[in-house]
Amino acid sequence: DAGITQSPRHKVTETGTPVTLRCHQTENHRYMYWYRQDPGHGLRLIHYSYGVKDTDKGEVSDGYSVSRSKTEDFLLTLESATSSQTSVYFCAISGGQLSGNTIYFGEGSWLTVV
Amino acid sequence: AQSVTQLGSHVSVSEGALVLLRCNYSSSVPPYLFWYVQYPNQGLQLLLKYTTGATLVKGINGFEAEFKKSETSFHLTKPSAHMSDAAEYFCAVTINTGTASKLTFGTGTRLQVTL
Repeated sequence: DAGITQSPRHKVTETGTPVTLRCHQTENHRYMYWYRQDPGHGLRLIHYSYGVKDTDKGEVSDGYSVSRSKTEDFLLTLESATSSQTSVYFCAISGGQLSGNTIYFGEGSWLTVV
Repeated sequence: AQSVTQLGSHVSVSEGALVLLRCNYSSSVPPYLFWYVQYPNQGLQLLLKYTTGATLVKGINGFEAEFKKSETSFHLTKPSAHMSDAAEYFCAVTINTGTASKLTFGTGTRLQVTL
């Protein structure tokens, strides 16, 4: 398994509260991603990073922000959680062409917003 | 933009039977194609990928897929299903931009294997 650790793995939070999910990698890969998985939608890209302090939006970025202050850490923040953000969140990493453009996934973080 | 269509959200096969999971893609440039498997409450595990070269790609656990450009397809097959193959399978596409590869996923196919 690729060295990816997500925390927390499970969280229940109340509507309107801020939530931060953390992704930590030990592979020194340049690219990091946050996806969310919902039934009937597969996985959809929220945000991604192509280097320290370099991030960009994915297809479902509204309501989310990210930060990457170190190569190994990529944080996803829900500024004010809503019930529609109840989902499973996956962090992913890639070395780009150096790793054949393969993207490796973490084990997921289950978030419930009540 | 790229897109993926997986035909059949649920597929059921008998143990020992052929597994065929269908994936069609859309891309204006040569695609990179992937199949991932997800077991319950786990992350996604790479089964196989096609980037360039040989169009028949072999992966883990006896799975293989064939890239057919003329049909824009990348169907996943396994000659003989095993109970342990029961899982959800995702097809995904990206392109080589020289920067971050952003995968676009299909909606997944849940494979059930019966005795």
